[in-house]
Amino acid sequence: AQSVTQLGSHVSVSEGALVLLRCNYSSSVPPYLFWYVQYPNQGLQLLLKYTTGATLVKGINGFEAEFKKSETSFHLTKPSAHMSDAAEYFCAVSDGTGGFKTIFGAGTRLFVKA
Amino acid sequence: DVKVTQSSRYLVKRTGEKVFLECVQDMDHENMFWYRQDPGLGLRLIYFSYDVKMKEKGDIPEGYSVSREKKERFSLILESASTNQTSMYLCASSIRGQGVSGNTIYFGEGSWLTVV
Repeated sequence: AQSVTQLGSHVSVSEGALVLLRCNYSSSVPPYLFWYVQYPNQGLQLLLKYTTGATLVKGINGFEAEFKKSETSFHLTKPSAHMSDAAEYFCAVSDGTGGFKTIFGAGTRLFVKA
Repeated sequence: DVKVTQSSRYLVKRTGEKVFLECVQDMDHENMFWYRQDPGLGLRLIYFSYDVKMKEKGDIPEGYSVSREKKERFSLILESASTNQTSMYLCASSIRGQGVSGNTIYFGEGSWLTVV
């Protein structure tokens, strides 16, 4: 069975600092991996995804994530945080069946201090 | 752009009422979903539909039912609302099947339901 663990329900960084949000997964098949972002009072939107190929994936707003199979991780990073990055971030894993078996992590809320 | 529209953003209902949450998507997606979002629990799948009139139970279907009479519309029904169903409900859609674009899920803005 698939599962996703996001380490840290809350992360706080200063503006301009590195953002690192951690995600570990388990999957019995080669996984599709996703990061979604949810801004206040909105639905989720795709930030980036890994399907096949290059393990370093670049997304919107300067975010990127690296798929590390040996560590079963898909951590999200951004070199320099901006106030507008304050949101909740969800890591997700899918077995590729069109979304039905997409499992979401519990979410990490990112706070950005001025 | 894909657009998933949830008809009601904020609802307050009384215990025992029948509640309808409506969702429409405009991208001809085969799959549609209803999720429930609660703090610390992430998103939990209530029901999934892969075609008109077809539905599959998700992780937490108890107390809910769904209807999909048209491809673009997926309704969530709470037959008799209870206070423990107070939550944020998210509708979503996706293309069926595998592939680079086949797995991205597109979400609506959510419906906040309070049952008093």
